[in-house]
Amino acid sequence: NAGVTQTPKFQVLKTGQSMTLQCAQDMNHNSMYWYRQDPGMGLRLIYYSASEGTTDKGEVPNGYNVSRLNKREFSLRLESAAPSQTSVYFCASARYTEAFFGQGTRLTVV
Amino acid sequence: EDKVVQSPLSLVVHEGDTVTLNCSYEVTNFRSLLWYKQEKKAPTFLFMLTSSGIEKKSGRLSSILDKKELFSILNITATQTGDSAVYLCAAQAISYDKVIFGPGTSLSVIP
Repeated sequence: NAGVTQTPKFQVLKTGQSMTLQCAQDMNHNSMYWYRQDPGMGLRLIYYSASEGTTDKGEVPNGYNVSRLNKREFSLRLESAAPSQTSVYFCASARYTEAFFGQGTRLTVV
Repeated sequence: EDKVVQSPLSLVVHEGDTVTLNCSYEVTNFRSLLWYKQEKKAPTFLFMLTSSGIEKKSGRLSSILDKKELFSILNITATQTGDSAVYLCAAQAISYDKVIFGPGTSLSVIP
């Protein structure tokens, strides 16, 4: 039972570089989410996808793009990384129950 | 705009104390209220509450939802140092397409 798998676990980027965070779930969930977590801010929703082929903006979408490649995979792309995007990123999925989380990606932009 | 508010934001107690954590929400088409515990890594699920007034219990933790007043509480009795964590509250929309989190309550239990 893999659940929700995120890669990479750690990443350091230079300002202006791009990268894609990968997320895959094997629980046949319709809904998937990307959150960022900063100290004292809880989890803030970046984008979500209610089903394959649909994506919607959350609270803090600026500077990010997403792709719901298929039902299993939901990727988050930073086109031009900025220091303000230094954070811990969590992917999650849900169907009719609670959201299940990946282990997180710690991203540092220098 | 959908939002979830938690209080207090941080709390320090001694082992054996009882604590109550608060969560209020405003979410369009609300379905359920979720509580998570987060230590060093990903949040781990504690409770899902969908009906008012029905207490859910797991060991020393319990939680209840008031859908009329739009809030929930999480109680921890006889706290232990292992309860030290950030406790996150989240509101889930009926279409399951949104799960909105509050800022969390950071609980520190000292011996």
